[in-house]
Amino acid sequence: DGGITQSPKYLFRKEGQNVTLSCEQNLNHDAMYWYRQDPGQGLRLIYYSQIVNDFQKGDIAEGYSVSREKKESFPLTVTSAQKNPTAFYLCASSTTGRETQYFGPGTRLLVL
Amino acid sequence: AQSVTQLGSHVSVSEGALVLLRCNYSSSVPPYLFWYVQYPNQGLQLLLKYTSAATLVKGINGFEAEFKKSETSFHLTKPSAHMSDAAEYFCAVSSGNTPLVFGKGTRLSVIA
Repeated sequence: DGGITQSPKYLFRKEGQNVTLSCEQNLNHDAMYWYRQDPGQGLRLIYYSQIVNDFQKGDIAEGYSVSREKKESFPLTVTSAQKNPTAFYLCASSTTGRETQYFGPGTRLLVL
Repeated sequence: AQSVTQLGSHVSVSEGALVLLRCNYSSSVPPYLFWYVQYPNQGLQLLLKYTSAATLVKGINGFEAEFKKSETSFHLTKPSAHMSDAAEYFCAVSSGNTPLVFGKGTRLSVIA
């Protein structure tokens, strides 16, 4: 089945720790995205990539980092500089920037 | 720059009643417009999209939306609400080859 997978479903972070969220797609899409979702705030764009080895900051990139070494994969690292990381993180992909985005099931990040 | 405004963060309807979720957009070029649905702790699922063809767009689960350029609106409707329609709904706009911009969402409650 074609789709987007995110792992893990739940992730716990300790103070001062970096954690990495995984996102993989087998839809052969060029573009991939990371969003953060907080109650009542909708989806906020963290980073996006329209081609391998290139990515752009979104609206709330501070405290996050990404890489795009393979077309299928777009991992997100939440660094210790992100002081309020508790949120639901969604990964998405699309053929181009303006086409339909397809979403993964999400990862919920909690701070211990 | 494009933007989306969803009027009403929470809408409540009775089962069998009309569902109307409002979305107004701002775009400097002809937009693509989308409605997504999100069930608790899940990713977003595409309901329907407008890409400059027919102004009345039919989607899944009996939903439809009408593009009105003069009103810069793309409201989502369903003639008869079902309990399973209870979810959060997001409107999104895309102009040019840029990522979708999402509204803050409207939570739909269906009362038996």
